[in-house]
Amino acid sequence: DIQMTQSPSSLSASVGDRVTITCRASQGISNYLAWYQQKPGKVPKLLIYAASTLQSGVPSRFSGSGSGTDFTLTISSLQPEDVATYYCQKYNSAPYMYTFGQGTKLEIK
Amino acid sequence: EVQLVESGGGLVQPGGSLRLSCAASGFTFSSYWMSWVRQAPGKGLEWVANIKQDGSEKYYVDSVKGRFTISRDNAKNSLYLQMNSLRAEDTAVYYCARVSSSRMDVWGQGTTVTVSS
Repeated sequence: DIQMTQSPSSLSASVGDRVTITCRASQGISNYLAWYQQKPGKVPKLLIYAASTLQSGVPSRFSGSGSGTDFTLTISSLQPEDVATYYCQKYNSAPYMYTFGQGTKLEIK
Repeated sequence: EVQLVESGGGLVQPGGSLRLSCAASGFTFSSYWMSWVRQAPGKGLEWVANIKQDGSEKYYVDSVKGRFTISRDNAKNSLYLQMNSLRAEDTAVYYCARVSSSRMDVWGQGTTVTVSS
């Protein structure tokens, strides 16, 4: 099974900072990667799919990149409302099975 | 408005059974794969199961194979998760999610399952 490993597990940054979260797959997954944001006590929300495509309505300060085994989620200028846990998720073509990374908890310094 | 509403959670003893439901509205339910995802208290997200639009393909995480069954009723715009032989480690919030081009783009609010004696 393909494992997804995120780093760091937690992160503290200041408002306005550029923040980068990394996700590594144990095998190549092309660009079959999504990023989700889960604010405290809330439902997960899709941010990015196909590694770099921004979901409709997501602020442009969020971006994704990567292909194969190494992926990044970048917030260009951290805002207070970005406090959340971020998850990467790999998805396959058939069989349609999914794996989430363990999550990265982002806090404001 | 596109919406998913889960129900059926509760407290159940180890070894017991529970059936979760997810009512979909605001979109053509029969056109989408659907998923169940769970989150144990204080833990991360774990994908549980997927089902194809017509129910002909189903996939499960290894930890629930043989115990959980995903199903759907397109006439009722509903998704289900039958959970048998429940264990303490199945305690979690269970979310249903719509799958659009392989990504989970709509999520329900979740229903809580607690397995405890």
